Amino acid sequence: GENVEQHPSTLSVQEGDSAVIKCTYSDSASNYFPWYKQELGKRPQLIIDIRSNVGEKKDQRIAVTLNKTAKHFSLHITETQPEDSAVYFCAASRGGSSASKIIFGSGTRLSIRP
Amino acid sequence: DTEVTQTPKHLVMGMTNKKSLKCEQHMGHRAMYWYKQKAKKPPELMFVYSYEKLSINESVPSRFSPECPNSSLLNLHLHALQPEDSALYLCASRSPGQGEKLFFGSGTQLSVL
Repeated sequence: GENVEQHPSTLSVQEGDSAVIKCTYSDSASNYFPWYKQELGKRPQLIIDIRSNVGEKKDQRIAVTLNKTAKHFSLHITETQPEDSAVYFCAASRGGSSASKIIFGSGTRLSIRP
Repeated sequence: DTEVTQTPKHLVMGMTNKKSLKCEQHMGHRAMYWYKQKAKKPPELMFVYSYEKLSINESVPSRFSPECPNSSLLNLHLHALQPEDSALYLCASRSPGQGEKLFFGSGTQLSVL
């Protein structure tokens, strides 16, 4: 079945440094890859997404890269700030239908050290 | 309105109780999802409705019974739950017109005693 692996499970970086979270997926038909941020006690919030026809996407301090051949995608956060501390989930989905599964990775707990 | 609204926010129930979780969206999305999330774990897919019809059931026990009365509402009926069913239950909706983005509600924190 579909599977999304995510690492590291925990990540601690100094404020101002960069953070990188990596994911791999198993379903070669996946073509939509969102990233969610979840703060304690709150709902997952979409922070950025990428489709398989694009190799990289950037939104201010956040960027996502996709390597379809290797079935890898990564989240890059630059100039980290205390409010970036949260759990981050990658996910993968087959597109073309709003009712397709979105399968989540196991999550990365990111801590920003002051 | 870009919100998915879930009620109640918190629910405590006994193993013999019957209760229902409710979810509502007015974004015109035609796909609605139920996820279960245990502490420190990712959301785990339970059910997907597409155009008010059940399209995906991830082998969920029958003590969880979903219902989609219309395109804006999604219910999850609970009966004879077990303590291990205690979790955050998240509703979400999605539409290709929104770039396939999945919008989550704030969830119902369920405790089964």
